[in-house]
Amino acid sequence: GIQVEQSPPDLILQEGANSTLRCNFSDSVNNLQWFHQNPWGQLINLFYIPSGTKQNGRLSATTVATERYSLLYISSSQTTDSGVYFCAVTLRSGGGADGLTFGKGTHLIIQP
Amino acid sequence: DAEITQSPRHKITETGRQVTLACHQTWNHNNMFWYRQDLGHGLRLIHYSYGVHDTNKGEVSDGYSVSRSNTEDLPLTLESAASSQTSVYFCASTPQQGAGELFFGEGSRLTVL
Repeated sequence: GIQVEQSPPDLILQEGANSTLRCNFSDSVNNLQWFHQNPWGQLINLFYIPSGTKQNGRLSATTVATERYSLLYISSSQTTDSGVYFCAVTLRSGGGADGLTFGKGTHLIIQP
Repeated sequence: DAEITQSPRHKITETGRQVTLACHQTWNHNNMFWYRQDLGHGLRLIHYSYGVHDTNKGEVSDGYSVSRSNTEDLPLTLESAASSQTSVYFCASTPQQGAGELFFGEGSRLTVL
């Protein structure tokens, strides 16, 4: 099956810092999403981004489908950005029959 | 507002008992999914459904079953709960098969003693 690798696995930053989270995937995809799991366990949609670039406030994401990676940028980090960030994909060839495959996440801690 | 809700949010049960976790969505999405989340494994797909009376096995389906009698609900049943099924379970839905944004419920934490 498709492999989804996220880096770094852990990241500790001071409030106000910027960060880049990376997601590499092993095959062509027709769906890629970024999620934030907050400390209470809720999974929150950040971006649906199978290709291109999107921005939402301090967060932005870029997916380069031909090179099989996606990047999530967080600028001017706040303590509320802490949590785990997941990348998830579905295979283009599979037509999504297997649902989303998740990476293992990047655990981000923003210190005040 | 349309939403997806799970119940119960927390449950403790004993080995061998049958347990059902409920998932209800009001978006009228055809596609619904159940995932489990465990430390070291991330989220893994258990079962999914693309419409009424359709069910499919995911990566970790052994010991679980689902049924889809209407668009809104996809209950997950553990026929005989095992300690290895202690986990956090998430239900999700999306309007588009294979693509489109996936929306998650708040999760159900199950402990099997």
